[in-house]
Amino acid sequence: SQWGEENLQALSIQEGEDVTMNCSYKTYTTVVQWYRQKSGKGPAQLILIRSNEREKRSGRLRATLDTSSQSSSLSITGTLATDTAVYFCATPPQGGRALIFGTGTTVSVSP
Amino acid sequence: EAGVTQSPRYAVLQEGQAVSFWCDPISGHDTLYWYQQPRDQGPQLLVYFRDEAVIDNSQLPSDRFSAVRPKGTNSTLKIQSAKQGDTATYLCASSLGTGANSDYTFGSGTRLLVI
Repeated sequence: SQWGEENLQALSIQEGEDVTMNCSYKTYTTVVQWYRQKSGKGPAQLILIRSNEREKRSGRLRATLDTSSQSSSLSITGTLATDTAVYFCATPPQGGRALIFGTGTTVSVSP
Repeated sequence: EAGVTQSPRYAVLQEGQAVSFWCDPISGHDTLYWYQQPRDQGPQLLVYFRDEAVIDNSQLPSDRFSAVRPKGTNSTLKIQSAKQGDTATYLCASSLGTGANSDYTFGSGTRLLVI
């Protein structure tokens, strides 16, 4: 598998709290994409971060990429109940071009 | 701009029956992907096309699954003889170009239950 086993499976938090989820990957990559999937919907892209960008922000979202440790993180500040979803990291495998998705982290935000 | 459209939304089959899933990608997107997402797992690539050509179908169970994109626009994924292990959501996505920097847009998927 492209992905390691450190992905946290599920988090339950209260609205307003911050949350961070992590992915580790086994083979070299130049980009990691983060997706959010709400119940009954397909995944939607949140952030794309490249190897020359150690950090990237979009609104309340912040992604990091550490190529030396082959890991990426996604943080959400000031969570809302509408952030409740499964969050996936994705990257193409070595030599491939289609995205391979991690196992996902389920985030449940209570009002 | 219309998103990726998939139909049907749901399908329930008995083992051994056949089913087809249809996908209409975003207009102008040359690359189309089919993913299988078992319950509580991440999407797993089955096949993807650049225009009408299959780029990678190495993960497609070729004895029962087939996928076509004859005019480089819409696509159909077919399961000839469904098994209970095929129970999953089938997601279609499209992008402009391939590669790690491409933005994928997914449809809402077709939920398949094989009993």
